[in-house]
Amino acid sequence: EPEVTQTPSHQVTQMGQEVILRCVPISNHLYFYWYRQILGQKVEFLVSFYNNEISEKSEIFDDQFSVERPDGSNFTLKIRSTKLEDSAMYFCASTRDSYYNEKLFFGSGTQLSVL
Amino acid sequence: AQKITQTQPGMFVQEKEAVTLDCTYDTSDQSYGLFWYKQPSSGEMIFLIYQGSYDEQNATEGRYSLNFQKARKSANLVISASQLGDSAMYFCAMREGAGTYKYIFGTGTRLKVLA
Repeated sequence: EPEVTQTPSHQVTQMGQEVILRCVPISNHLYFYWYRQILGQKVEFLVSFYNNEISEKSEIFDDQFSVERPDGSNFTLKIRSTKLEDSAMYFCASTRDSYYNEKLFFGSGTQLSVL
Repeated sequence: AQKITQTQPGMFVQEKEAVTLDCTYDTSDQSYGLFWYKQPSSGEMIFLIYQGSYDEQNATEGRYSLNFQKARKSANLVISASQLGDSAMYFCAMREGAGTYKYIFGTGTRLKVLA
């Protein structure tokens, strides 16, 4: 089965630093998402992205976050000035289309630790 | 108000027995999809089963079945013949059909299968 690929699997950064989390969605998928999970708890929606634009974002996705599709394959999440509370597992996901019956395919996640 | 509610933070089941994980949802949409994901200790999110709001039959995928009661707005996951490898966190999720591009997850149920 095709996979969503995320790199790196672990990232450690100092508070106030910028980090970029990278994802390669499944090749024929058009909709991309970022979710985060703190300490194995609730999976929280951050943002969805289609056609080089944000489709929807949550309250968590404030000005310190941004997303980009810099080329035809990568999808990135940038956190400009990391805070301790940004420490979490970040999941990239993709769907082929936007219908409600589309299965959400997840990557294996990037564990971000902010020191 | 919570859109997805999973009231069982943790459950135990004996190996080879069946177990039901509860999920209730809240939506005013007529079109929506309900999903269950498994998250083992390794952290990846594994799709298990899908139920659409218009599906008259309960979904089944191998040992997984979804007990869909639309009037009660519940979508419980039934795992038959539990195996040790079923020990994991289980998340119920919903995708509404109108004007949204996000999947909403419940808080999860941690299942432990006992030998």
